[in-house]
Amino acid sequence: ETGVTQTPRHLVMGMTNKKSLKCEQHLGHNAMYWYKQSAKKPLELMFVYNFKEQTENNSVPSRFSPECPNSSHLFLHLHTLQPEDSALYLCASSQVEAGGFAEAFFGQGTRLTVV
Amino acid sequence: TQLLEQSPQFLSIQEGENLTVYCNSSSVFSSLQWYRQEPGEGPVLLVTVVTGGEVKKLKRLTFQFGDARKDSSLHITAAQTGDTGLYLCAGKSNYGQNFVFGPGTRLSVLP
Repeated sequence: ETGVTQTPRHLVMGMTNKKSLKCEQHLGHNAMYWYKQSAKKPLELMFVYNFKEQTENNSVPSRFSPECPNSSHLFLHLHTLQPEDSALYLCASSQVEAGGFAEAFFGQGTRLTVV
Repeated sequence: TQLLEQSPQFLSIQEGENLTVYCNSSSVFSSLQWYRQEPGEGPVLLVTVVTGGEVKKLKRLTFQFGDARKDSSLHITAAQTGDTGLYLCAGKSNYGQNFVFGPGTRLSVLP
């Protein structure tokens, strides 16, 4: 139990479907992240939220839409995805403090397959 | 752009052997983390190092942060099959809010 919970663990969706990934952190952290991990590729940062405000969007296609209603919850809304979007989607949280170091705590990920 | 390189990319050894994997950058990091990731799971934090020259031990794992805080190493003594996984290093600079991840070293420990 890492304190970061992702649901669902596995998701298969068609290219015309709309689905959402959910992440919840129980650590009291002020920052949350979405990463994409494809086979044989490094972790790719997608979105960053600090104090519920989106601070980074790494040129992610608009078919991925993040939502952070509060500091404990993060969603990734998916629509009209492509097969190449199939990957492990990881959520992480951290406590960001000026002058301090931070550690990222990850959820178990959602294995997404687009058919 | 800060980049982290890890070597080797793949490593396959027999149980009981020792090994060292490396994480290198041309940038200075305020802290550096090591994670282990098993297939289908998220990365799990192993250790954080923050002081140049720092050495931390976690049972059979020894982590070292370079004096200039640009590189780190992970040494495993008497590897076990349970050590198999993807080892990732991640760094955070003094200026950026985000973590930079290396591509990882995929370790296989054979019985």
